[in-house]
Formats: sequence, structure tokens, C-alpha cells
Amino acid sequence: SSQLTQDPAVSVALGQTVRITCQGDSFRRYYGSWYQQKPGQAPLLVIYGKDNRPSGIPDRFSGSGSGDTASLTITGAQAEDEADYYCNSRDISGNHLIFGGGTKLTVL
Amino acid sequence: EVQLMESGGGLAQPGGSLRLSCAASGFIVSSFSLTWVRQAPGKGLESVSLVNSGSTYYADSVKGRFTISRDSSKNTLFLEMNNLRPDDTALYFCARLRGGSDWFLDVWGRGTLVTVSS
Repeated sequence: SSQLTQDPAVSVALGQTVRITCQGDSFRRYYGSWYQQKPGQAPLLVIYGKDNRPSGIPDRFSGSGSGDTASLTITGAQAEDEADYYCNSRDISGNHLIFGGGTKLTVL
Repeated sequence: EVQLMESGGGLAQPGGSLRLSCAASGFIVSSFSLTWVRQAPGKGLESVSLVNSGSTYYADSVKGRFTISRDSSKNTLFLEMNNLRPDDTALYFCARLRGGSDWFLDVWGRGTLVTVSS
């Protein structure tokens, strides 16, 4: 089965821009989605489809993709953005869901 | 308000069984695809089972042991877990699946903790 690969950890200075990437063959067929998870909380959808934000998600969050890589960009990172971020996609077979291993974002 | 609420977790012995429930409010479970996602302590997310337009999916790690179902009269999703193993220990979330071609999970419950230990 296919898999999604994320960097385990990324850091960004307060107010700067950070890009979190996720690599997998399924992105050649499907758009992915991104979830923010803070300690003790359920994951929260922040980006889905080509570049869509659910209601209530700040516009500093954006998504993009190229080839086998999907990216989540936070423009002007805030302290409250410190969290684990997971990418997610439909498996290349189309039958199930797969997740990346998660990226821990530290805001310095 | 659209919500999901899991219950049924707890301590089970290896080889034992548990039945997880996920009660929905604000939408009809039979009209949506739904999934169970688990997170082992300190680990990432794993989709273990999915129900989509009558079709079901199971991760290899749970195939033959877990069964996903839904009850329209109770507006509830279930996960029947048999022959539990210590590596099934995790926080189990239910989530609503959306999207035609590109799937995403727009509503999540808070999770129910399953611990498998003797």
C-alpha cells in the first residue's frame, strides 16, 4: 500500500513563514488534506482539496501541491500554531485513507 | 451543531473484545462515509476502518478482527473489536469523511481510549 512521508520536526521564528511538506504517490492522483493536532485534542482540519480552508481557519494557512508532494504553508506563524501537523490522502488504490507520520511544528 | 461523540473504550485483556460507539448529532450517519482513526500513545494517526456507500475497508492490522457498522435508528457508528492485542492500545477517533474524489475528514469526535493489557 502507498504511504505518505513527512519531516518529523520543523521550527519557525514567530511571524515568519514555514512550509510543511508531505510526499507520496497518491498526490499524483488526489489532493490531500492537512490536520492540526494540539496536545490532548482531536485533529482539526485546516486545509482540504486544492487549497480550501474550513470556516474559522485563519487565512495564514494555505495549501499547494506539485507532482508527488503536497505542502502546507503558514504565512506569519503565531505561537498558537505550535502543534503536530498531519497530511492525509486517499490511497492510490482509491479505497482507503492514509496519513503521514506527522510533523511537530515549533514556533520560536 | 454537527458533532460526533465516541464511547465504549476501556481496559481489555489480550484476546478480549470491546465495542466502540460513535453517536452523531446534526447529520444522518447513513448519508455520509465515516471512518475510525486511532492514535497509539505518542504516535501518529492511522485509519483502521472506513464505511463508504456500503463498502467497508479495514487496515491489514485489524482485518478479520474488527467490524465497522452503523445503525440508522440510533444515528450511530460502531466498531466491534475482537481478539484484541496490546498493539491495539490507542485513542480511537471517529470522523466524518467528505469529498467526491479528494477525501478529507471534516468532523472529529474527541476520542475514546482503548487499553489492552493483562
